[in-house]
Amino acid sequence: AQSVTQPDIHITVSEGASLELRCNYSYGATPYLFWYVQSPGQGLQLLLKYFSGDTLVQGIKGFEAEFKRSQSSFNLRKPSVHWSDAAEYFCAAGGDTGRRALTFGSGTRLQVQP
Amino acid sequence: NAGVTQTPKFRILKIGQSMTLQCTQDMNHNYMYWYRQDPGMGLKLIYYSVGAGITDKGEVPNGYNVSRSTTEDFPLRLELAAPSQTSVYFCASSKLAGGYEQYFGPGTRLTVT
Repeated sequence: AQSVTQPDIHITVSEGASLELRCNYSYGATPYLFWYVQSPGQGLQLLLKYFSGDTLVQGIKGFEAEFKRSQSSFNLRKPSVHWSDAAEYFCAAGGDTGRRALTFGSGTRLQVQP
Repeated sequence: NAGVTQTPKFRILKIGQSMTLQCTQDMNHNYMYWYRQDPGMGLKLIYYSVGAGITDKGEVPNGYNVSRSTTEDFPLRLELAAPSQTSVYFCASSKLAGGYEQYFGPGTRLTVT
């Protein structure tokens, strides 16, 4: 069965520190991979996506993610976190050509300390 | 271009009541989806549609119904509300060509008591 795992439920970092959020997937073939961010009371906003090609993808708000096929991972990184990055982050994968549905991880809540 | 809009933003229902959650997109996307989000559980697919007149079940369809009479609208119907349907509901859409990325509405927070 297809699945996406985000091992960290909650992460706290200091403002200005670097960030890495983990995501592992289980799919039959290489899926399309996404990171979304959800601010409190808001919908999900797409941060970045990986379809093919360069395994390091750049997104909005200074985020990047690296696809590692050997580790079935798609970790999200940011070199310097800002207080406004506090939110919930979801990793998602898709590959079902029929309905194009995404499978979401359970999310990682990021708290930023001043 | 408003993207994906949902109404209402909040709703409290009594057990057994019915309601329709509205979803509209103005991006001419073929695919539309309904998800529910429960705390610590990520998003679960309720129903989806690949175009007007075509709908199908997702992972958790029980207690819900949908219709897709136009490209723009994809309402979600709860017929007999139950406490287990207390959740945040998100509508999303994606285009036919290109990638799989989905665009989300702001959500509807529903409480059933």
